[in-house]
Parts: sequence; structure tokens; C-alpha cells
Amino acid sequence: EAGVAQSPRYKIIEKRQSVAFWCNPISGHATLYWYQQILGQGPKLLIQFQNNGVVDDSQLPKDRFSAERLKGVDSTLKIQPAKLEDSAVYLCASSLDPLNSPLHFGNGTRLTVT
Amino acid sequence: GQQLNQSPQSMFIQEGEDVSMNCTSSSIFNTWLWYKQDPGEGPVLLIALYKAGELTSNGRLTAQFGITRKDSFLNISASIPSDVGIYFCAGRPTGTASKLTFGTGTRLQVTL
Repeated sequence: EAGVAQSPRYKIIEKRQSVAFWCNPISGHATLYWYQQILGQGPKLLIQFQNNGVVDDSQLPKDRFSAERLKGVDSTLKIQPAKLEDSAVYLCASSLDPLNSPLHFGNGTRLTVT
Repeated sequence: GQQLNQSPQSMFIQEGEDVSMNCTSSSIFNTWLWYKQDPGEGPVLLIALYKAGELTSNGRLTAQFGITRKDSFLNISASIPSDVGIYFCAGRPTGTASKLTFGTGTRLQVTL
């Protein structure tokens, strides 16, 4: 089966600019996650969708980050305006269900904010 | 928030040696997952554990779900150069919907 697809692979922007990331999960996976991975750390959950509804966005900085999964398949994550500390790898993952299935990750988007 | 302590932080071993790493949590988990991440790629699932005491193998890798449900172990036997990478544990606490928390990772380097 095709894996989780993410684009772009790399993005360099200046602080205060905006950026968007795209994710296409594994076909049939109802649960979609966005993780932020800062260099040298483990991934940190930003937001979790079940179909097109938000299950958990408690760690999403909502003043600047937003995400949507309008049709319950693809998802976009946006940062506006970006800060230097947003430099990280943004990983998208998907799973069959939110309770018992393991997560499968894409290769991520590496964001550098200058 | 939930914290996972993963150790060791890094390891240098020789090819052919066995490797052990572990992860401990401050609360009881109902799922433990072990992932490997290579540079520039996303984490890849190695082993999933769903029951206390469960011991599961995947080739040269063996992982165990601790009896106390607060820890998990990953062993790699007869390491080879391609085992190099960062290994992450991840777990789901009981009593929550599904939130998966990751450890800080163990960086493994294998010398010939």
C-alpha cells in the first residue's frame, strides 16, 4: 500500500511569513495526526483528526497554527505568522483507528524559519 | 503532560553486539510502540505491543511490554551497520482517548 504522502519536503521562509503543509494519509485511515519534531527531540502531537473532526488540538498554538481536513482525507497545516522557534520537521501520520492501531508516518516537511 | 523517559540517550556499539534500550512512564499505558527514524525520514514502526507481559519479535528485534505497564524494552541482537538511527518508544496511557506520547529517543551508532 502507498504510504503517507507529504509535501513539500523542505521549506525555508522568513519570520512573520506564512506557510502551508499538505498531507495525504494511507487510504482508508480515518485518523490523521500532525506532529512537530524539533531537532533532537521526539515528535510532539499538534492535532489529531478523526475523519474530518478534530479529536485533540490541545497542544496546537492556535494563535498562529491552523489545520483542516475538510473531506476527511487530505489535510493541510498552516502557520501564520511563523516564528523562529517554529523551525522543525512537521510529520503527518495516519492510523486505521485512534485507539488500537499503530501510526504510520510520512517523511515530513523540514521547515526553516530565518 | 505525560513524560516518557527513554534510555540510554545514545549508544556506540560494535557490529555483532547486542543492544538494549528501555522506556519508562509515570503512568500506566495500554499500548507501547517502538519506531526507528533514519535521517530525513519519518519514524518507521518496528514493533507494537498491546498487553502487559507481551513479548514480540521482528527479526533481530525483540520488544517487551513491562508487567507493571509503565515500561517497555527493546533489544536488538547481532547489530549490523544499517541498525544505525534513532529509536523512539511511544505509548498510549490508559484512560485517554488515544494520545500517543513519544520518548526522547535513543541514538544508536554501530562501528565496524
